[in-house]
Formats: sequence, C-alpha cells, structure tokens
Amino acid sequence: SAVISQKPSRDICQRGTSLTIQCQVDSQVTMMFWYRQQPGQSLTLIATANQGSEATYESGFVIDKFPISRPNLTFSTLTVSNMSPEDSSIYLCSVTPGQVGMNTEAFFGQGTRLTVV
Amino acid sequence: KQEVTQIPAALSVPEGENLVLNCSFTDSAIYNLQWFRQDPGKGLTSLLLIQSSQREQTSGRLNASLDKSSGRSTLYIAASQPGDSATYLCAVRPYSGGGADGLTFGKGTHLIIQP
Repeated sequence: SAVISQKPSRDICQRGTSLTIQCQVDSQVTMMFWYRQQPGQSLTLIATANQGSEATYESGFVIDKFPISRPNLTFSTLTVSNMSPEDSSIYLCSVTPGQVGMNTEAFFGQGTRLTVV
Repeated sequence: KQEVTQIPAALSVPEGENLVLNCSFTDSAIYNLQWFRQDPGKGLTSLLLIQSSQREQTSGRLNASLDKSSGRSTLYIAASQPGDSATYLCAVRPYSGGGADGLTFGKGTHLIIQP
C-alpha cells in the first residue's frame, strides 16, 4: 500500500491566479497520476507524472494550464494556472506502487478542494 | 475510447439488505478493474482489485466479480450497514499501457443505508 499526503486540503482562490498542489508519498513509486473531479462528476485523468521527464497529458488538458513537476519518486506538484471558476474541482493525486506490468492497486490522496471566485 | 457506466446512480435501502452494484465498460481490453468508495469530502478508499485474468475477489462482506468478455463487473455487499453509506466507484485500467496508464472511472453509485 501507499500513504499519500496532499496539500493544501482546500483553498479558495481569486480568478486569474495560480495554485500549486503538493503530493507526497511515503514510499518510492514509479507511477503517479493527477485526476480532477468536477462537482457532481466522476474522476477524470489529467496527466501521468513521469519522474525525470515531462508529464503525459490526456486529451483536453495542456501543460500551460496544468504544469506538473516530478522531481523524485516520492513527490509531485500540480499547478492550476490562470484559474477561472470552471477550474473549481477536487484535484486528486494517485499512485500505483510496484513495478510496471504488475497488477497493483491504485491509491489516492485525500484530494484538494479548490474553489475559484 | 473507454467508457464506464454504473447502475444504479443512486440506491437507498434499509439496513441488513444484500446489495448488487453494477459496472459496465465498453472496451474489454483491460489490465484490471478496481472498486473504490468515496465518502463526502474525502479521497478514495480502495475496496477490491480484480486482475483481468480473475473472475472474482472477496474482502469481508464485499465480493466483486468480473466478466471481461462481456464488459461487466458487479460489487456485492452482504448484510449492509449504515457505515456502508458512500459513493461507490468502478474504475478500469487499460491493457494497452501494460498496466502503466491511469484509470477510467464510472460516475458512481450513491448508496444510502437506512438504520
């Protein structure tokens, strides 16, 4: 298993500003992901955070809007840039411990509840 | 593009009943399937992971089955309790990434167990 700590747990931000969300894992993991959960909706994958290289973004998400850093195997950040009210969501960090190719569970942080006003 | 559907969207039953939550997915080329619960204001808690080669997994009062060829999974909850009240999410991992890709989620079943 893995214990994931996300910061901040919640924030209220002004439109046009940026917020950086931190994700810290208690063990080294290769696979780390960022998801968004819009109000009343399910989770949507934003990107895969790759250690030592650029993140891989899903369709509809771009690096300029959601820059991601992954400086080591236990830590990642997601920045929500130039925010608008439509960015109000819960943002979740997830890891899958173990080696690629193994059937391991995905674990999630508690999420960051972002409200943009 | 993989799509995951969960039925019903909401369910309210009295305590003690046995329940079945349904999940279907359009692309049977999955690596594994995972069931989660999400409590209000909280993150996701993993309940059960079923590998693509498996038919079912059990944990306590929970049993999940997988029929990959038909694109279906069910989560069976025995002797439901008020503490089981939560949103239950089904998610699949695609086979194409060799297990390294992210999950595709359904919209969830919002479950209320009445005391």
